[in-house]
Amino acid sequence: DTGVSQDPRHKITKRGQNVTFRCDPISEHNRLYWYRQTLGQGPEFLTYFQNEAQLEKSRLLSDRFSAERPKGSFSTLEIQRTEQGDSAMYLCASSQDRASSYEQYFGPGTRLTVT
Amino acid sequence: TQLLEQSPQFLSIQEGENLTVYCNSSSVFSSLQWYRQEPGEGPVLLVTVVTGGEVKKLKRLTFQFGDARKDSSLHITAAQPGDTGLYLCAGAHTNAGKSTFGDGTTLTVKP
Repeated sequence: DTGVSQDPRHKITKRGQNVTFRCDPISEHNRLYWYRQTLGQGPEFLTYFQNEAQLEKSRLLSDRFSAERPKGSFSTLEIQRTEQGDSAMYLCASSQDRASSYEQYFGPGTRLTVT
Repeated sequence: TQLLEQSPQFLSIQEGENLTVYCNSSSVFSSLQWYRQEPGEGPVLLVTVVTGGEVKKLKRLTFQFGDARKDSSLHITAAQPGDTGLYLCAGAHTNAGKSTFGDGTTLTVKP
């Protein structure tokens, strides 16, 4: 079992550029979550998929943000026209789809720096 | 808004001391998770508590879920430098897609 993986681990981009992050969940997990974490705060929920369906999106997820999970396996999070305020750690987590599936397992995160 | 408040925000202690950190909410959660996070890494799940009044032990760590399932505590006995990190609590609701996180307690254990 390889756990949740994220790529890249670090990304530095200039303001106005587009960036895309990838998340590969634990293989038997069909729920996938994206969170954003800034320094000194806990993770904030962005969006969540069950299989390929995006079931919930936070109001934090502006129209510059889009997430996909086309085949119900890996997911991508794209940020268009990046702003300095987008600088944060972007975390992906996965869990199993069952009534007691409260436990989310996190990847190592992608640290985004917008200059 | 379902907020989870963690206290204290920062805690610095000497190796061998005991400590307790708290996670409080005005909302009832179906379950509550505790995570530990190191700088530059994702949170690592420590424990899940589900039943009001539940107590779980993980080596030197003792986790308790309040009777009303609104609050939780984490007690560490004889802290070690390896316990240093950010301790996060997260609350979940049945069939909800997301967890609500507190802002964490940053623990530093000095040798």
